[in-house]
Amino acid sequence: DQQVKQNSPSLSVQEGRISILNCDYTNSMFDYFLWYKKYPAEGPTFLISISSIKDKNEDGRFTVFLNKSAKHLSLHIVPSQPGDSAVYFCAASEVAGNTPLVFGKGTRLSVIA
Amino acid sequence: DTEVTQTPKHLVMGMTNKKSLKCEQHMGHRAMYWYKQKAKKPPELMFVYSYEKLSINESVPSRFSPECPNSSLLNLHLHALQPEDSALYLCASSQDNNWEGTEAFFGQGTRLTVV
Repeated sequence: DQQVKQNSPSLSVQEGRISILNCDYTNSMFDYFLWYKKYPAEGPTFLISISSIKDKNEDGRFTVFLNKSAKHLSLHIVPSQPGDSAVYFCAASEVAGNTPLVFGKGTRLSVIA
Repeated sequence: DTEVTQTPKHLVMGMTNKKSLKCEQHMGHRAMYWYKQKAKKPPELMFVYSYEKLSINESVPSRFSPECPNSSLLNLHLHALQPEDSALYLCASSQDNNWEGTEAFFGQGTRLTVV
């Protein structure tokens, strides 16, 4: 059973609009959540994270929201740019740096100019 | 078997030592990765192997030397490390380097302390 679920395999958004990528998790022990971005033929690289003591974390155009009661997090990209087109992976772990990351299957974002 | 196994779990080494970290998976995955994670920070990508060939080196110092002897094994050879290299070293694998629609798995990591 997947502990981290990204139910949308793909998403298309017009340039300049908001992209919202969603992630659900089942393990209530998860305490640290991350988003990774992956371009074709490259390794996933870290984008933004949030710990369970927060419900929002912003970094430039990227904001991650965490709803612990719903076991749901989302990544907002505003405004979306063509260079944001990539696969985005949600990941979670029980303790940052001490337990393995569990990844979702990813959502492919296409930002259309 | 859906595990990525890393050995050793803990390693303490001196700055003049040579040691190796090992990673093993038997899921038939053809892409394997090394990540480095400092305390309370997210893992940062170091190397990507795809079909046993090094495809990405994220400007990692040469004192870290990866090796992929076969499709199930990934090593990280360490030589002349610095104390600031102390971190959790994570191995991961995925079906291939595309990842899409497949799961990726991380090992438990090797906690390295350089003294």
